[in-house]
Amino acid sequence: NAGVTQTPKFQVLKTGQSMTLQCAQDMNHNSMYWYRQDPGMGLRLIYYSASEGTTDKGEVPNGYNVSRLNKREFSLRLESAAPSQTSVYFCASSLDFRNPPLFFGQGTRLTVV
Amino acid sequence: QKEVEQNSGPLSVPEGAIASLNCTYSDRGSQSFFWYRQYSGKSPELIMSIYSNGDKEDGRFTAQLNKASQYVSLLIRDSQPSDSATYLCAVNVGGSQGNLIFGKGTKLSVKP
Repeated sequence: NAGVTQTPKFQVLKTGQSMTLQCAQDMNHNSMYWYRQDPGMGLRLIYYSASEGTTDKGEVPNGYNVSRLNKREFSLRLESAAPSQTSVYFCASSLDFRNPPLFFGQGTRLTVV
Repeated sequence: QKEVEQNSGPLSVPEGAIASLNCTYSDRGSQSFFWYRQYSGKSPELIMSIYSNGDKEDGRFTAQLNKASQYVSLLIRDSQPSDSATYLCAVNVGGSQGNLIFGKGTKLSVKP
């Protein structure tokens, strides 16, 4: 079972560049999430999609956009990367929004220089 | 602001001892509680979930919940060096905060 798959695993961007992080799950989950994890800050929710066709802001949405492409896929886009967006990004999914737990992808380590 | 608090550690225990990890939460209406283990450089992995007051045991792990005190804990019996990781407490608060609120984690080190 693949579970939740994220690409890429590592990325280095220059300030102002754009990129899209891809996430796909094969567990037939309805809800998907993007988190960032920074030292001393814990996991913080960027955006989530409670169900196909819906997206909502989390705790730290500024500088990001998302697309729920279909039930399986949920992408995160950085339009103009900033050094403050250097972080580890995790995609996660759950059966539905009111029914955790979450299952996480392997993470993307992003550095913006 | 709904919060989940954990002692950041590091918590150091000798091999074979019991490790006790604690978590408090602010939202009295929280209904479900989870413990994740995260090895350095890896993603969080679900190890325990608990929904009602009392103890829940799974192998060497026991989760304890006291909703009146807004307290959840994780006990690891017969701790092994392979248990060395950061343990994240997560609480289901629902609503606009995206369902789960995570604590910042407690780093556990098990010394051989």
